[in-house]
This record gives sequence, structure tokens and C-alpha cells, in this order.
Amino acid sequence: AQTVTQSQPEMSVQEAETVTLSCTYDTSESNYYLFWYKQPPSRQMILVIRQEAYKQQNATENRFSVNFQKAAKSFSLKISDSQLGDTAMYFCAFMIEVDMRFGAGTRLTVKP
Amino acid sequence: GAVVSQHPSWVICKSGTSVKIECRSLDFQATTMFWYRQFPKQSLMLMATSNEGSKATYEQGVEKDKFLINHASLTLSTLTVTSAHPEDSSFYICSVDGASYNEQFFGPGTRLTVL
Repeated sequence: AQTVTQSQPEMSVQEAETVTLSCTYDTSESNYYLFWYKQPPSRQMILVIRQEAYKQQNATENRFSVNFQKAAKSFSLKISDSQLGDTAMYFCAFMIEVDMRFGAGTRLTVKP
Repeated sequence: GAVVSQHPSWVICKSGTSVKIECRSLDFQATTMFWYRQFPKQSLMLMATSNEGSKATYEQGVEKDKFLINHASLTLSTLTVTSAHPEDSSFYICSVDGASYNEQFFGPGTRLTVL
């Protein structure tokens, strides 16, 4: 069974600082996709960044980047220059074919 | 990507009644759709996978007779919570399989409160 673990229930960061959210997963498959989703108070799931397991290069989207360590089954999210609007729940997710599973989430608070 | 809508966004019902939640894919052919449930301060838990024109596949522990799913077209899947009870109160989110996009497109969710 595929599992996703987010070991940080809550984190906080000062505005303009950098924060890293951790995620580990477990699978015996070699071909899969990893995602970070943001869920603001509106509860709409917003895709932040995605990574294909077959790509060695870490994905980057503006202020968001990942550190993908396939052998260690680790997929952390780095948010640079944190903004107040980044305050939200962040879910790490893992998908094989069409089956997507989520971690428990990390509540991030950006402080002014 | 795809635009996915859900209706209603919020519903309150009395215990024992049935509630239908619609999930529409507005600009994308949704061969496969998913229904998730999210309790307060918890993660999304997959309830079922809905395939157009065929019966849904339910996750272990999800009562298929209680959570009826119909996916009769490429744009619409419905979730009916039958004989709802307060413990069914939750946030229900649908998503669309993005196929070649290799991701899922999420609806805005429906908050169900059963009194």
C-alpha cells in the first residue's frame, strides 16, 4: 500500500523568510507523480507544484521548489520569500496511474 | 487544466433525509471522477472512483448503499448521501482525472451539515 507521511502538523514562518515542509512516502512502484497542494480557508485545492518520479531535476514554480530524493522517498517543499497569502494547509500527495493519496497535511502560518 | 464545479456549495439537512451533490466538469471530458471526504482539520480521504457509464468503485469501509454515485455522462457525476446522519457531516470534494495531464482537477467542495 502506498503511504504519504507529513511529520509537521503545524509550522510558522516570518514574512519574507524561507520555510521547508517535509514529506516522505512509501511505494514499491518506480513510476509515479508527486504533488504539493495548498488548501486555503476557502478549502479549494490548489496545485502548487508537481514532480514526475522519472525526472531527476527538481521542479520549480516561482517561489516554490522541491527537493526530490527518490532513493530516500522524500519530497520536501521549499517556499522562498514567504507571503501572508501563503498561509494555508499544505498537502503532499502521491499518484500512481489515477490513484492519488494524500498526507495528513501541514498547517503553515506566515507571520507579518 | 479543467474547470470543475460542485453544487451545492453548502447544504444543511435533517437526519434521515437524502442529499444529492453534483460534480460537473465544465470544459473537460471526465471519463473518471473521484469523490473525497474531508473531516475538519484532517486530510482528504478517497471514498470512491466513478467511471462514466459503469458502477463506481468504493474504497474499503465506504458503504456503497449509503453513498450512491452516478456517473451517467462525461460531464456529470453525482453523490447521493442516503438517510444522512450527523456523522455524515463533512466536506465532500470531487475531482476529475486529468488523463494526459497526469493530475487531478478538484472541485471547490460541498459542506454537508446533518442536523
